[in-house]
Amino acid sequence: GAVVSQHPSRVICKSGTSVKIECRSLDFQATTMFWYRQFPKKSLMLMATSNEGSKATYEQGVEKDKFLINHASLTLSTLTVTSAHPEDSSFYICSARTISSYEQYFGPGTRLTVT
Amino acid sequence: AQSVTQLGSHVSVSEGALVLLRCNYSSSVPPYLFWYVQYPNQGLQLLLKYTSAATLVKGINGFEAEFKKSETSFHLTKPSAHMSDAAEYFCAVSVRGGGNKLTFGTGTQLKVEL
Repeated sequence: GAVVSQHPSRVICKSGTSVKIECRSLDFQATTMFWYRQFPKKSLMLMATSNEGSKATYEQGVEKDKFLINHASLTLSTLTVTSAHPEDSSFYICSARTISSYEQYFGPGTRLTVT
Repeated sequence: AQSVTQLGSHVSVSEGALVLLRCNYSSSVPPYLFWYVQYPNQGLQLLLKYTSAATLVKGINGFEAEFKKSETSFHLTKPSAHMSDAAEYFCAVSVRGGGNKLTFGTGTQLKVEL
């Protein structure tokens, strides 16, 4: 149980375009989802927290107009990187938790490369 | 705010030797503590967690960790390293009522040599 998927696993896009990453909880209802960014050989940096049906809460320094997060259902959250630039290239990981659990379940990550 | 410090960004052990990965935490309230493992280009897998029950926590793949409040530590150990243990290990902390946000350490790369 407690499986989280991400799609796509890898994506390459051109500079200036937008790309959407999906995060799904496959066998549980995720009241809260988290989005992290991981630079090569670095730790995970929390970008934002999203609760189903409400606006995401962004961490300090994260541009909310650039990283659009939608959590429209209890099983799906999306991260859209708008007007992507090479510096947005990174490994993006989502996690999900239920309302009754303190534990986060992580997705397998999405490798974004902006050319 | 809570934080974790992982001492040693790289640890190398021989196959069969003891694995010890260090984690110290800082928190003004009782913490929840976690160890995760990450293999290249993959997400995080939970190894074990401390949630204010038993201080000695056993996890998957033979790993265990002991919560020591007096030392503010939560070191990860495994009696005998296996080649498949080579990976990146992250210690993380969260607190009740803190939105369950996880704060991660900087990670320790474990290398296992023959």
